[in-house]
Amino acid sequence: QKEVEQNSGPLSVPEGAIASLNCTYSDRGSQSFFWYRQYSGKSPELIMSIYSNGDKEDGRFTAQLNKASQYVSLLIRDSQPSDSATYLCAVLEREYGNKLVFGAGTILRVKS
Amino acid sequence: DAGITQSPRHKVTETGTPVTLRCHQTENHRYMYWYRQDPGHGLRLIHYSYGVKDTDKGEVSDGYSVSRSKTEDFLLTLESATSSQTSVYFCAISGRQGGTDTQYFGPGTRLTVL
Repeated sequence: QKEVEQNSGPLSVPEGAIASLNCTYSDRGSQSFFWYRQYSGKSPELIMSIYSNGDKEDGRFTAQLNKASQYVSLLIRDSQPSDSATYLCAVLEREYGNKLVFGAGTILRVKS
Repeated sequence: DAGITQSPRHKVTETGTPVTLRCHQTENHRYMYWYRQDPGHGLRLIHYSYGVKDTDKGEVSDGYSVSRSKTEDFLLTLESATSSQTSVYFCAISGRQGGTDTQYFGPGTRLTVL
C-alpha cells in the first residue's frame, strides 16, 4: 500500500511570513506530485504540480521535490489570512487508472 | 469546478436504505473517481472508472457499487447505508494540465446516515 505522510498541524504562522508544508511518500518510483488547497466545507482545489527534482515557482507558491529523499514540500511566501486552509499532498499512481494517493492534509492558520 | 456537478449536495437517510449519488461531467474525460473524506483520513478512493462500463475498486470499496453507462455520468450506490458511511463524498475527473494528468473535484455531497 503506497503511503503519503503529512503532519496534520495545525501550522500557525504570522501574516507575511513563509509557511512551509511538508510531505513524504513511500513509493520510490513515483513521478508526479500535487498540492491541493481545501477550504473548510469546500472541495480540493489544485494549486501546483511538480515532476522534476528541484523547485517550481508559481506566484507566492513554490513546490520543492527531492526524489532521493522521497520528500515534497510547498512554500507559501508572504502568507495571508486567506491562505488559511488544509493543504493536501497527493502522489499519482499512473499504472492504476491515474489514481491519486492523498496524505491526510496539514491545517495552516495564518494569523493577522 | 471544471464542469463537474454532484447531486444531491446534501442527504440525510436512515440505516439500511439504499442511496445513489450522481456525478455529472461536461468535459468528456475518460477517467472518473469517487472519494470519501473523513476527519483524520484525508481523501480515500472508493471506486474509479476508466471508460463506459469499465470500473474498478479503490481502497475502501466495501459496501459501495458504481455504474457508468454514459461518459458523462458516474453513479455511486450504497446498497444498504450504514452509519459508518456518513461522510463527505467527492467525485473527480482526470484531465491533462501542462502535459500531465491531474484531477479536478466536484463540489461534494454531504451524506448523513442516521
